Order: sequence, then C-alpha cells, then structure tokens
Amino acid sequence: GQQLNQSPQSMFIQEGEDVSMNCTSSSIFNTWLWYKQDPGEGPVLLIALYKAGELTSNGRLTAQFGITRKDSFLNISASIPSDVGIYFCAGRGSSNTGKLIFGQGTTLQVKP
Amino acid sequence: KAGVTQTPRYLIKTRGQQVTLSCSPISGHRSVSWYQQTPGQGLQFLFEYFSETQRNKGNFPGRFSGRQFSNSRSEMNVSTLELGDSALYLCASSLEAGSYTFGSGTRLTVV
Repeated sequence: GQQLNQSPQSMFIQEGEDVSMNCTSSSIFNTWLWYKQDPGEGPVLLIALYKAGELTSNGRLTAQFGITRKDSFLNISASIPSDVGIYFCAGRGSSNTGKLIFGQGTTLQVKP
Repeated sequence: KAGVTQTPRYLIKTRGQQVTLSCSPISGHRSVSWYQQTPGQGLQFLFEYFSETQRNKGNFPGRFSGRQFSNSRSEMNVSTLELGDSALYLCASSLEAGSYTFGSGTRLTVV
C-alpha cells in the first residue's frame, strides 16, 4: 500500500534533548497530521496542518507543513520520559476524503 | 465528551470464520474511517463512510466490507478470515474535512 517516507525510523535520546522527525511524499497533500501512538492504543492527534507553509505549536511540539506540500516535520523540544512512543505522520490528498496515508512511524525512546 | 468507542477490544477467531467489528464515533461526527495496522504494512486505509455512504475505499479484497448506520455508528465485516488478517483494526471519526480522532482499536487474532 501507499506510504509516506518517514525518518528516522527510531531514535534513542537523553531526557532534555530536542527531537526532529520528518515525512516526505511524492504526492501533494492538502493536510498533514501528526499522531502519537502508545502500545495497545490508537493514535492520538498531536498537531494538524492545513496550509502550505503553516507552522503550528502545541506545547513543546512544533510542526510545519512544507511549502511544496510534499513534506512536513515535527520537532519536540526538551524531551521528557513520557514522550516515549511511536510518532506517525499522515497526509490527506483531498479535503473531501477521510483517506489518510501514513508514514512508517518513528519510535522514540528517552533515557532519563 | 466521549471519544471514539470500538468494540470488542480483543477477538480471537479461527481461519474461515467471519467477524464483525463495531465503531461508535464522537457525537456529531459523520465521517468514519477504518484502518488496518500490522507490523509489516503499518497503517493501511480500508474504507470511509459518510452519511451512510461509502465515500472511499482502500486496496483490500472484497472480504472486507463495512456499513454505516443513520446514527453514524459503523461496522466492518471480514469474511473467510485468513491468518494474515490478524491485526489491530482502528476506527477514526471526524467532522467534515477535519482532523481524525482514533479509537483504541480492536485486536483481531486469527488462528
């Protein structure tokens, strides 16, 4: 199936460090979404981006919708142990569809 | 405000059987989408329903089907189960063209 190219695949960082992950696509998207998933649970929405160039923050999280509409990144500042989990990007090509294309996920581990 | 509710949380079925999973969206949400999540393929879109009509469909065989009721609740059905159908099945709901809220999923194991 179709997927976005998300990197890195995994990260192991020290508490307090900043984290950056990104997604790229060969297709243009109208919406980029970033989710976090904990084991045994569904993905939880972190940030939604609806316009090319948009930069949005949610606490220590910042995400941007790339100008080309083919990429997005997520930054986490001053990481804490509860940031541990799998982060997914998701893109939507059209505003009238619920079809999201997901990246493969970035597994984040934080060492206290 | 209640979130997206999926039932059951866990299910074990035998090859060849069929299964029905249920999803109750957030109140007021009319769009319901279904996804399959496996370690190998990640999150894959199954289908989306809006106002009781299938609006989009992913690349899954016809054994996978769904429907949506007038109260926006949705069900998905998988017939003639195969071992490869073992997965976490996730439902997401949304207001029109908004962001999507996921349920906790149904973990299906086919033996």
